[in-house]
Amino acid sequence: NAGVTQTPKFQVLKTGQSMTLQCAQDMNHEYMSWYRQDPGMGLRLIHYSVGAGITDQGEVPNGYNVSRSTTEDFPLRLLSAAPSQTSVYFCASRGAGSASEQYFGPGTRLTVT
Amino acid sequence: AQSVTQPDIHITVSEGASLELRCNYSYGATPYLFWYVQSPGQGLQLLLKYFSGDTLVQGIKGFEAEFKRSQSSFNLRKPSVHWSDAAEYFCAVANFGNEKLTFGTGTRLTIIP
Repeated sequence: NAGVTQTPKFQVLKTGQSMTLQCAQDMNHEYMSWYRQDPGMGLRLIHYSVGAGITDQGEVPNGYNVSRSTTEDFPLRLLSAAPSQTSVYFCASRGAGSASEQYFGPGTRLTVT
Repeated sequence: AQSVTQPDIHITVSEGASLELRCNYSYGATPYLFWYVQSPGQGLQLLLKYFSGDTLVQGIKGFEAEFKRSQSSFNLRKPSVHWSDAAEYFCAVANFGNEKLTFGTGTRLTIIP
């Protein structure tokens, strides 16, 4: 199993550009989520999904869109990038049952100039 | 709302010495608690988790943590640190249903020879 994969690893955008961060998992996990990590702030939940076709907002959803058309994929879209979205983005997934842990991808480092 | 406090931003420990990293949480019900470790430029790896039962939890790499409900704490310990333990450590609490993880701001651990 590859686990949770994320692409790209690094990305530089100009203000106003759009892009999609890709996340995929091959563990047949129902639950997937996106976090951003900023210095001194830990990780904060952006959006999450409890299954295909179901998404919900986390702590910091503004400026981001998600969709979940398949169990495997959970892309994160930035429609109009802003410098405040410069961050490291992590995708995570976990299996069924509330007593399971989340597995994290390697992250995408995004810089918006 | 759930929250996590890690009061120590940075800790320096000599190799071979014991370690304790502090974590305090706020949550209205019985929490799900986690410790993750992050090496520079890497994703997050789960060290251990607490859902219920025995309040002393054993994890990987020789780490353990103790859940103390009366103190709202979940401190991480290791009896003898190794240079490879240098990393950033995050405590996290999940809501009932384990859908949303809330992270602390992290503690950076430095090991000196």
